Amino acid sequence: DVKVTQSSRYLVKRTGEKVFLECVQDMDHENMFWYRQDPGLGLRLIYFSYDVKMKEKGDIPEGYSVSREKKERFSLILESASTNQTSMYLCASSQKPGQNTEAFFGQGTRLTVV
Amino acid sequence: QKEVEQNSGPLSVPEGAIASLNCTYSDRVSQSFFWYRQYSGKSPELIMSIYSNGDKEDGRFTAQLNKASQYVSLLIRDSQPSDSATYLCAVIQRGAQKLVFGQGTRLTINP
Repeated sequence: DVKVTQSSRYLVKRTGEKVFLECVQDMDHENMFWYRQDPGLGLRLIYFSYDVKMKEKGDIPEGYSVSREKKERFSLILESASTNQTSMYLCASSQKPGQNTEAFFGQGTRLTVV
Repeated sequence: QKEVEQNSGPLSVPEGAIASLNCTYSDRVSQSFFWYRQYSGKSPELIMSIYSNGDKEDGRFTAQLNKASQYVSLLIRDSQPSDSATYLCAVIQRGAQKLVFGQGTRLTINP
């Protein structure tokens, strides 16, 4: 079974802190994604990566950056956390386009910025 | 125009009936389509994937794709209370690797 693991289920951080959310997958997937999920807004794509050291902006990249130094690990960085970044963050991974490109999700990190 | 649109619901269906969930997408070159189910407080889990026009059946679930109309749907037959969840439609565009989700439809099955 594909396993996508996020480093924390719950986090509480202070405004202005630099925050790291880590995601690791064990299926040698090329693609990795970071989403945030807020009530009524669905899953919104922050950043995605299709290869090591490659990254693409999603729909809401402002205030975030990412790092992918190894194929299995994709990190989301909040450079200076703000209260409007309080949300559920979901990481996913998938194979590169072709058949069987379904994405698998980690368990999510609920981040609260106070 | 949103890339992927769903009716946010809530959609209420009696137990044993057919639940019908709909999704439209804006980019004609989209090539891969997915339905995910998400229970409250949990991560999305894949239910169905569909890549070509027509119907695809898996147990009580049927996905339908009409690329000409840019429309994908999910039918749930013999609905059970355990089917109560939010259903998310997702799309990958051809040539791109961006996976985009709709806002989800909340489905409630009434015993």
